Amino acid sequence: EAGVVQSPRYKIIEKKQPVAFWCNPISGHNTLYWYLQNLGQGPELLIRYENEEAVDDSQLPKDRFSAERLKGVDSTLKIQPAELGDSAVYLCASSPTAYNEQFFGPGTRLTVL
Amino acid sequence: QKEVEQDPGPLSVPEGAIVSLNCTYSNSAFQYFMWYRQYSRKGPELLMYTYSSGNKEDGRFTAQVDKSSKYISLFIRDSQPSDSATYLCAMRDSGAGSYQLTFGKGTKLSVIP
Repeated sequence: EAGVVQSPRYKIIEKKQPVAFWCNPISGHNTLYWYLQNLGQGPELLIRYENEEAVDDSQLPKDRFSAERLKGVDSTLKIQPAELGDSAVYLCASSPTAYNEQFFGPGTRLTVL
Repeated sequence: QKEVEQDPGPLSVPEGAIVSLNCTYSNSAFQYFMWYRQYSRKGPELLMYTYSSGNKEDGRFTAQVDKSSKYISLFIRDSQPSDSATYLCAMRDSGAGSYQLTFGKGTKLSVIP
């Protein structure tokens, strides 16, 4: 069974540029999560989807971050414009439901110069 | 004070040693306790999952939860170089809608051959 797929794996951009990350969850998983992991820290939840609905986006900085999960499968996380402090690893995870084990993708490592 | 405290290490041990990893927490509502292993440049993967207090053993790994002390531990027996990774504790409560995981910072472990 394929795991959670994320792309790109690495991204380097200059500040003020836009950037987008893509996630394909495990087939059949209704719940999808985006996490932010700073260096030396644990993951912090940004947004959770149940199918195509964003049911918890309270920790998403909405002035510059946006996300979508069209058709309840793949998801895209966007930052516009990027700031130096956005340099981090962006992890996507999925689970059958919100109360099951979460399976994480390898993450996208973003560097903002 | 953060909800979950975890010594970031790094921790370096010789092959075959017994490793003890620990987390403390402040939220008495936490009921589910997890240990994730994260290899370099990879996403976290679930290693152990415990509900409420008690011990759980899986091969060389033992997870312990002491809710009275708000303290959880992961023991690794006969440690191997392949155990070298960052270990993250995570926890959540059991209330309705309580799906969100709170992670520790992670402890970086190196097992030296």
